Amino acid sequence: AQRVTQPEKLLSVFKGAPVELKCNYSYSGSPELFWYVQYSRQRLQLLLRHISRESIKGFTADLNKGETSFHLKKPFAQEEDSAMYYCALGWGSGNTGKLIFGQGTTLQVKP
Amino acid sequence: NAGVMQNPRHLVRRRGQEARLRCSPMKGHSHVYWYRQLPEEGLKFMVYLQKENIIDESGMPKERFSAEFPKEGPSILRIQQVVRGDSAAYFCASSPPGTSVTDTQYFGPGTRLTVL
Repeated sequence: AQRVTQPEKLLSVFKGAPVELKCNYSYSGSPELFWYVQYSRQRLQLLLRHISRESIKGFTADLNKGETSFHLKKPFAQEEDSAMYYCALGWGSGNTGKLIFGQGTTLQVKP
Repeated sequence: NAGVMQNPRHLVRRRGQEARLRCSPMKGHSHVYWYRQLPEEGLKFMVYLQKENIIDESGMPKERFSAEFPKEGPSILRIQQVVRGDSAAYFCASSPPGTSVTDTQYFGPGTRLTVL
């Protein structure tokens, strides 16, 4: 069955420290993976997706099929990065596209 | 573009009442998804609709829950005879025509349902 696991409920770091939010997935096909972020009092929004191979707000994520992981990384955390982060697996066939979410990790960046 | 709109933002119902949650997708979007977030859990897929069609309802509870996306007007998620376990945040997302599994979904602010 398709599943996304984010093992850390809370990750607390100091400003300027490196950040790695872990995400592991279970999927037999070729995965489409996303990171969504929810800042305080804002709606859930896309941060990045693996197919784009982009870096957004200094964050990157590499798909590792061998380890079935899609960890989110940033070399130097900023206070404004404090938010809830969700890893999601896009799943479906044809033109169906539902997302399977992990439980989320709260990132707290301390000054 | 105002983004995905959901109303009400907060809804309180007593056990046994009906709850109706509305979602207006972004302009030009024809795909709507509903997700539920129970306390301390991630979002879980419920249903995927296109105009006048339910495409995938594999995440919908078998009883009391229904969804529609009429030709005109918002998508409606309807919960009949609510129970305390229905208390959750319900999120709607939309995407444009021709969407595939690789495309971005745009989320609304959610409706927080509380069942007393």
